[in-house]
Amino acid sequence: KNEVEQSPQNLTAQEGEFITINCSYSVGISALHWLQQHPGGGIVSLFMLSSGKKKHGRLIATINIQEKHSSLHITASHPRDSAVYICAVSDDYKLSFGAGTTVTVRA
Amino acid sequence: NAGVTQTPKFQVLKTGQSMTLQCAQDMNHEYMSWYRQDPGMGLRLIHYSVGAGITDQGEVPNGYNVSRSTTEDFPLRLLSAAPSQTSVYFCASSRITGGNQPQHFGDGTRLSIL
Repeated sequence: KNEVEQSPQNLTAQEGEFITINCSYSVGISALHWLQQHPGGGIVSLFMLSSGKKKHGRLIATINIQEKHSSLHITASHPRDSAVYICAVSDDYKLSFGAGTTVTVRA
Repeated sequence: NAGVTQTPKFQVLKTGQSMTLQCAQDMNHEYMSWYRQDPGMGLRLIHYSVGAGITDQGEVPNGYNVSRSTTEDFPLRLLSAAPSQTSVYFCASSRITGGNQPQHFGDGTRLSIL
């Protein structure tokens, strides 16, 4: 069983809709990362958090350490948000990744 | 700044051939790492380094070698390529205590082993 589980695996939304991606993990961690990967493209770090909540533009990431759960929210989604979103957890030196959530936003 | 640069972007090899995937960063990051990405699976750590002269194994190290002679470069060597090593390879870097720092990724190397 993977240490990091993401849901859903795929998600389709209409432009403007609110999107939530979930990440659960089973090990103790130092930090949790949310990454974005566009089709055929590289990987970009969106957030790194170890507690609470972070916001950047239309993206919000939250983490509940006690429940070992994190969520990534996209408000007012746009077709350019279409990408694979990847959750990763880390100890001091190693990252473990979820399989990713493919998000498609239709105009 | 170029960030993390990987070369080549694409490569086709025959089974048994050897090659080196290059990774260079210009951010003076101590921590560098190599991952492979396969369909339906998450990124998996191959090897990592916390500084020049220091490397360690990740989750899937078999068939791969690394060295870190400078802070900037972290090449990944395939000793004898196998079809199971067909994958997309990503290099990443960050400040020390890599897991607790934002990761900077290269654009990837798409490798096919025939």
